[in-house]
Amino acid sequence: KAGVTQTPRYLIKTRGQQVTLSCSPISGHRSVSWYQQTPGQGLQFLFEYFSETQRNKGNFPGRFSGRQFSNSRSEMNVSTLELGDSALYLCASSYVLGSTYEQYFGPGTRLTVT
Amino acid sequence: AQTVTQSQPEMSVQEAETVTLSCTYDTSESDYYLFWYKQPPSRQMILVIRQEAYKQQNATENRFSVNFQKAAKSFSLKISDSQLGDAAMYFCAYRSAFVVEGGSEKLVFGKGTKLTVNP
Repeated sequence: KAGVTQTPRYLIKTRGQQVTLSCSPISGHRSVSWYQQTPGQGLQFLFEYFSETQRNKGNFPGRFSGRQFSNSRSEMNVSTLELGDSALYLCASSYVLGSTYEQYFGPGTRLTVT
Repeated sequence: AQTVTQSQPEMSVQEAETVTLSCTYDTSESDYYLFWYKQPPSRQMILVIRQEAYKQQNATENRFSVNFQKAAKSFSLKISDSQLGDAAMYFCAYRSAFVVEGGSEKLVFGKGTKLTVNP
């Protein structure tokens, strides 16, 4: 079974631009979560989606948004990029099976804002 | 809100030796999951081990085991017979067990511990 895929893997943008990152979950997974990882703040939860609905959102400004499609693929968008948005963006997909819980992460998208 | 604390920013261990990474957490919930994730230089986050809070027995996965002390809110990871491939960042994470349609699977992570394995 293929793992979680994220595209692109690396991205360089200029301050003020916007960017869209994509995440394809493992087949059969309906839940997708996004995390931002920076050296200073560590791993911070951005938002999660289940069946095309945003279930939860982290403490990030409105410039950060996302959506999920009917095939469970998810995109996140950051508008008006700031230097501080430079980070590794990780996507994770999951399913809940009784008491068993597995969350699988993708390889991440490294965003650099100059 | 839940918090996870990893008090050891860096640890080192000799190959074939045993090392223990510490993690404490704070929550008012009675049922939850705890995880240890490994992030090697490739940046791929890999699940190492999982513990359900309602289970008394400590989880074990091959050379990896945990010491789960619910009353003390402590969740340490022991790596036995350390190998060079164990070198990575290790993150402790918490997730509420209350997950139904419309609930959250949000993970709360600690800051991580960088483990170096010396040959």
